[in-house]
Amino acid sequence: EAAVTQSPRNKVAVTGGKVTLSCNQTNNHNNMYWYRQDTGHGLRLIHYSYGAGSTEKGDIPDGYKASRPSQENFSLILELATPSQTSVYFCASGDPLSGNTLYFGEGSRLIVV
Amino acid sequence: GDSVTQTEGQVTVSESKSLIINCTYSATSIGYPNLFWYVRYPGEGLQLLLKVITAGQKGSSRGFEATYNKEATSFHLQKASVQESDSAVYYCALSDRGNMGYKLTFGTGTSLLVDP
Repeated sequence: EAAVTQSPRNKVAVTGGKVTLSCNQTNNHNNMYWYRQDTGHGLRLIHYSYGAGSTEKGDIPDGYKASRPSQENFSLILELATPSQTSVYFCASGDPLSGNTLYFGEGSRLIVV
Repeated sequence: GDSVTQTEGQVTVSESKSLIINCTYSATSIGYPNLFWYVRYPGEGLQLLLKVITAGQKGSSRGFEATYNKEATSFHLQKASVQESDSAVYYCALSDRGNMGYKLTFGTGTSLLVDP
């Protein structure tokens, strides 16, 4: 069964601190994605990747970096966290050959105080 | 860019009554986008409810149906008789092949509350 796991599931960070959200997938999908979900905005794409070593900017990349060191792992990095980055973050993997169905993790709730 | 507009906010429906959640889209590519409905149950991540990749066809799953209407650029979600277990947040989405490959664009989500 497709599996995408995220860590941590919950995180409280201080303003100006560094936060790393990690994602691991066992689907062997080339594509991976980071979204954030906020009330009134739905899911918005932050960064995505086509494979190990690649990262691409999504629709709202400012304040975020991404890293894809391997096929399985895709990290989202907040170098200087701000309260506006308080949100729920979802990682997903997908295969364009299957109509780009995405498989999501359970989400990481981040609160920046 | 691509956009998806769906019924906003929370929808409350009594158990066994019918449901429709509206979804319309705008896609920038020349080809037909793939259309999806995802669902997020309380405490869980998003999961695919149904998808349709061919205009004019209907997708169905768990009693839900949605028809890909290219002329109206719509993909409304319907169910004839909802159950309390259907309470969740529903997202309409499209996958369009832009210059940088496949991405999913989501609507804002519709929270469904089914009254027992």
